[in-house]
Amino acid sequence: DVKVTQSSRYLVKRTGEKVFLECVQDMDHENMFWYRQDPGLGLRLIYFSYDVKMKEKGDIPEGYSVSREKKERFSLILESASTNQTSMYLCASNKGPARPQHFGDGTRLSIL
Amino acid sequence: RKEVEQDPGPFNVPEGATVAFNCTYSNSASQSFFWYRQDCRKEPKLLMSVYSSGNEDGRFTAQLNRASQYISLLIRDSKLSDSATYLCVVNEMSGTYKYIFGTGTRLKVLA
Repeated sequence: DVKVTQSSRYLVKRTGEKVFLECVQDMDHENMFWYRQDPGLGLRLIYFSYDVKMKEKGDIPEGYSVSREKKERFSLILESASTNQTSMYLCASNKGPARPQHFGDGTRLSIL
Repeated sequence: RKEVEQDPGPFNVPEGATVAFNCTYSNSASQSFFWYRQDCRKEPKLLMSVYSSGNEDGRFTAQLNRASQYISLLIRDSKLSDSATYLCVVNEMSGTYKYIFGTGTRLKVLA
């Protein structure tokens, strides 16, 4: 079974803080994704990566950056957290384009 | 028009009933289709991929209608444990990384 592990289930931070969300997958998948999920809006893609050190902006990259130094790890960084970044963050990975994605447990992030 | 559209529900059905959901998509070039299940405050989990000829996995049947641009999910003999939100996901073009998620259809199976 594919295992995608996110570092925290719940996280509370303050506005202006730099926040790191970590994601690790154990299936040697090339592609990794970061989404946020908000009520009524569905999942929206923030960034994805198709190889080590490669990244592409998704639909809502503003206020975020990512890092992929190793194939199994994809980090999402909130440069200066704001209250409108309070959300559920989901990491996913897959083997290639058109393949199904596998999700981590999610991180519920609250910015106060 | 939304790229991927689902009826939000909720669909309230008794145990043992058969229930079906549809999901419409706007891009006729879409190549790959999936159904995910998401429980409250949990991550989406892959239920099944949807193949052109239709496919079945136990009580679940998925179908694709390219002419009318929709996919469907049929659940037979509903169980209480089927209560969840069902997300439709479309991969817009072969070879791309763009997956479009519907906002989900909520199902409640009642005892």
